[in-house]
Amino acid sequence: DAGVIQSPRHEVTEMGQEVTLRCKPISGHNSLFWYRQTMMRGLELLIYFNNNVPIDDSGMPEDRFSAKMPNASFSTLKIQPSEPRDSAVYFCASSPAGGRNYGYTFGSGTRLTVV
Amino acid sequence: DAKTTQPNSMESNEEEPVHLPCNHSTISGTDYIHWYRQLPSQGPEYVIHGLTSNVNNRMASLAIAEDRKSSTLILHRATLRDAAVYYCILYTSGGSNYKLTFGKGTLLTVNP
Repeated sequence: DAGVIQSPRHEVTEMGQEVTLRCKPISGHNSLFWYRQTMMRGLELLIYFNNNVPIDDSGMPEDRFSAKMPNASFSTLKIQPSEPRDSAVYFCASSPAGGRNYGYTFGSGTRLTVV
Repeated sequence: DAKTTQPNSMESNEEEPVHLPCNHSTISGTDYIHWYRQLPSQGPEYVIHGLTSNVNNRMASLAIAEDRKSSTLILHRATLRDAAVYYCILYTSGGSNYKLTFGKGTLLTVNP
């Protein structure tokens, strides 16, 4: 089991550029989550999907952020245009359906730096 | 969302047991108690969870108070690798909505 796979591990981009973060969940997991972590705000849930359908995107900061899950094995988080305040570590996690009785498995994260 | 209260930091010595407390006085009957930890420069890692009864697994034990208003994560023999931020989280669900909301956690330091 390769776990949750995120790419890239590190991304440095200039302000105004489009950034796409990628996530491959664990096969068979029905739920997928995107989190962001900063020193100031800690771990924040941005959006989660259940069976590829976005269930709650209330944590998405603004319209510059969008997330998709075109199939059960792939999800993207896109920021367009990027701003320096978007600099953070972005984590993807997955869990079996009915996640409260199961643990989440997190990926290693993507460290994004916007200069 | 139901909230938890944890000490900001704790310190332990290697090979000694560690008891990490968590208060959750507003817990509801259907909330599961989850514990995660985050080692430096890594993503959060699931540790253990429970509803009413005490739970044991290869990583730790979870002791849940009879009134469920508090719980304790027990590491039986701390190692240097256990140095991490430990999060106690109430997993609130409603219908098909499942959310895991992280607080600030407890920073555990393990002394050699």
